[in-house]
Amino acid sequence: DTAVSQTPKYLVTQMGNDKSIKCEQNLGHDTMYWYKQDSKKFLKIMFSYNNKELIINETVPNRFSPKSPDKAHLNLHINSLELGDSAVYFCASSPGPFNSPLHFGNGTRLTVT
Amino acid sequence: EDQVTQSPEALRLQEGESSSLNCSYTVSGLRGLFWYRQDPGKGPEFLFTLYSAGEEKEKERLKATLTKKESFLHITAPKPEDSATYLCAVPPTDSWGKLQFGAGTQVVVTP
Repeated sequence: DTAVSQTPKYLVTQMGNDKSIKCEQNLGHDTMYWYKQDSKKFLKIMFSYNNKELIINETVPNRFSPKSPDKAHLNLHINSLELGDSAVYFCASSPGPFNSPLHFGNGTRLTVT
Repeated sequence: EDQVTQSPEALRLQEGESSSLNCSYTVSGLRGLFWYRQDPGKGPEFLFTLYSAGEEKEKERLKATLTKKESFLHITAPKPEDSATYLCAVPPTDSWGKLQFGAGTQVVVTP
């Protein structure tokens, strides 16, 4: 009965590869997010979708491309991976886009070698 | 520029030793302040939302308070299971729909 689930939990890959992370929520929420937590533990927003529509697109390299096939799913595809992409990526969801508490998944630890 | 600053960075407590964590913010026109708890290897878990100065929320041994410039998370008589990183977050002044997080306070409670 996991509310926000991400796969995979760990991802180790080489520079230059392309990889995807998948996220699903069963809370019936309208809004989903991708956050990145770097080595200093800061959580920074990358993207947000509301009912499959992109509403937030922070200054993120265009190698990162989110896709939301429906409001329960949000995937993140990363092209041409770089060493600096190593981080923990969290998916989250909320009832709506305004001042709603976020419900986070348990993260995907990406290591680029 | 909006900022969210948490202090201290780390806190080591004996079981039963009460303490407080601080979250100060420079966002103008606060539209809510959120507290989360994060355990190692897990995603942040929502604890509280505070909307206006003077507001207080409680959950078990945790109590969150809010003033116009900062919020405090008080941990009363902590237990080892309260060990975690506590994060606060606010919506930035210029944007809805996203949260700006502080760096967190790592709390360790020893028996």
